[in-house]
Amino acid sequence: GAGVSQSPSNKVTEKGKDVELRCDPISGHTALYWYRQSLGQGLEFLIYFQGNSAPDKSGLPSDRFSAERTGGSVSTLTIQRTQQEDSAVYLCASSFSGRALNEQFFGPGTRLTVL
Amino acid sequence: EDQVTQSPEALRLQEGESSSLNCSYTVSGLRGLFWYRQDPGKGPEFLFTLYSAGEEKEKERLKATLTKKESFLHITAPKPEDSATYLCAVQAGQAGTALIFGKGTTLSVSS
Repeated sequence: GAGVSQSPSNKVTEKGKDVELRCDPISGHTALYWYRQSLGQGLEFLIYFQGNSAPDKSGLPSDRFSAERTGGSVSTLTIQRTQQEDSAVYLCASSFSGRALNEQFFGPGTRLTVL
Repeated sequence: EDQVTQSPEALRLQEGESSSLNCSYTVSGLRGLFWYRQDPGKGPEFLFTLYSAGEEKEKERLKATLTKKESFLHITAPKPEDSATYLCAVQAGQAGTALIFGKGTTLSVSS
């Protein structure tokens, strides 16, 4: 079946602008995660959605970052007033939470460049 | 603090030259350890999950093992197409929590 999809694949924006990144998880997966991968750094957790529960926002680096998940499926990550340090690849992953151990499957990522 | 460290950062091998990548971890309440492969410009691709010390998993030329403090990814007779960055991650605490990743090992295999 189809994997996790993300759009856009690349986004170039000017400092101070807002951006929205989209993630379509694998059908039937109830858990959705956002990570950030900066040059030379490991993947950094941002936010986690599980079903109808309140999201785990503990990884968001500042209040300029927010995310929504509508209808338990598609998610949008919004970055307001972008800064150059926000430049990174933003990765989305989903998993089937019915398993005791949740293998996470990743999308191709959105490469964000803030000028 | 939960932590994952991978070594070496980079590894260059000749085709057919077997080697191992290391992932050491410090976490409380390990639920599982994951290995991913990441090609340039792509998202991580799931390879293995290891649940408990002593467990081993194999896939083609790759074999992953787990002890109480580290995991190894053994690559036997690698080919150029095995060139990629290999990421190790752990999941701790409750089921479904976010993964904690190491920075990866970039493997280059030349013919």
